[in-house]
Amino acid sequence: AQSVTQPDIHITVSEGASLELRCNYSYGATPYLFWYVQSPGQGLQLLLKYFSGDTLVQGIKGFEAEFKRSQSSFNLRKPSVHWSDAAEYFCAVGDNFNKFYFGSGTKLNVKP
Amino acid sequence: DVKVTQSSRYLVKRTGEKVFLECVQDMDHENMFWYRQDPGLGLRLIYFSYDVKMKEKGDIPEGYSVSREKKERFSLILESASTNQTSMYLCASSMTSARGELFFGEGSRLTVL
Repeated sequence: AQSVTQPDIHITVSEGASLELRCNYSYGATPYLFWYVQSPGQGLQLLLKYFSGDTLVQGIKGFEAEFKRSQSSFNLRKPSVHWSDAAEYFCAVGDNFNKFYFGSGTKLNVKP
Repeated sequence: DVKVTQSSRYLVKRTGEKVFLECVQDMDHENMFWYRQDPGLGLRLIYFSYDVKMKEKGDIPEGYSVSREKKERFSLILESASTNQTSMYLCASSMTSARGELFFGEGSRLTVL
């Protein structure tokens, strides 16, 4: 069965520091992978997506993610975090039947 | 600008009441989804619809039903609300292929007393 694991529930980083949020998935075929961000009281916004091709994908707000098939991972990175990046981040996998499976989310706090 | 609109941001209902959550999208998407979001559990799929009058159960359909009479509108119905249905409900839409990303509404926070 498809599943997505985000092992970190909360992460705190200092403003200006680098960030990496982990995501591991379980899926039998080629996955379609997504990262979404949710600001407090808001719906989810797409940060980036991977379908095929280059395993390093660029997204909005300076985020990037790398697909590693051998590790079943799709980790999200940002070289320098801004206070406005404080939010909850969700990794998701889409299948060929129009279904999407989400991880439990990682809450990011940014210290001044 | 693409938009998914959920009619109510905040609702307070009593146990046993019938609750309707409405969602409208303006992107002509075939697929629409209802998710429930609870702390530590992420998003769990309740129902989705891939066409008008078509629906499919998600992972947690018990206690819920849905209606899709028009392509742009997808309603979630709680026939008899219970306190364990207190949650944030998120509506989303997408194109037919899974390559189509999900577009989300802002959510409806339901409290059942």
